[in-house]
Amino acid sequence: EPEVTQTPSHQVTQMGQEVILRCVPISNHLYFYWYRQILGQKVEFLVSFYNNEISEKSEIFDDQFSVERPDGSNFTLKIRSTKLEDSAMYFCASSDGTERGQETQYFGPGTRLLVL
Amino acid sequence: AQKITQTQPGMFVQEKEAVTLDCTYDTSDPSYGLFWYKQPSSGEMIFLIYQGSYDQQNATEGRYSLNFQKARKSANLVISASQLGDSAMYFCAMSSRYSTLTFGKGTMLLVSP
Repeated sequence: EPEVTQTPSHQVTQMGQEVILRCVPISNHLYFYWYRQILGQKVEFLVSFYNNEISEKSEIFDDQFSVERPDGSNFTLKIRSTKLEDSAMYFCASSDGTERGQETQYFGPGTRLLVL
Repeated sequence: AQKITQTQPGMFVQEKEAVTLDCTYDTSDPSYGLFWYKQPSSGEMIFLIYQGSYDQQNATEGRYSLNFQKARKSANLVISASQLGDSAMYFCAMSSRYSTLTFGKGTMLLVSP
């Protein structure tokens, strides 16, 4: 069964450093998403991406964040200058877009980011 | 703005018993989707079941069923015949017209032998 994959599974970085989290969405999916989950809290939406553009973003997704689809398979989230409060699990998700507003999003296993 | 409320921080159930996890929602959109995801201790988010706002019948997927009461704005998850492997965090979520998901705070389910 097709699945979303994410690398790395864990990332430890120093405050102020740049990190790139990578995702490979399900191959025939058209919509891609990033969510984050701070330890012990609920999952929060960051950004959605379609047709090489951001389609929606939350207040959390400020100028230090960026997303990119550098090739036909990868979808990346870059945090330019990490802060302690960026420590969280970051989930990538994808959907096929067949029924906007109601299609199922499939999540990757997540990248656990720790900023020291 | 959309909101999901899960009022049960934790639930205990014995193996082979049924359990209901509560979820209420609030939205002004006429069209929306309701989802349940399972998050085991390993951290991944596993899709369980989906209910569309216009669906007349409650969704079922194996041992999972969704008790959808639109007038009450509730979408409770029912797990029949609980198994030890069902022990996990369960999140209710709602999709907006742009398909971004809003999650509840989750319910931790513990299944005992």
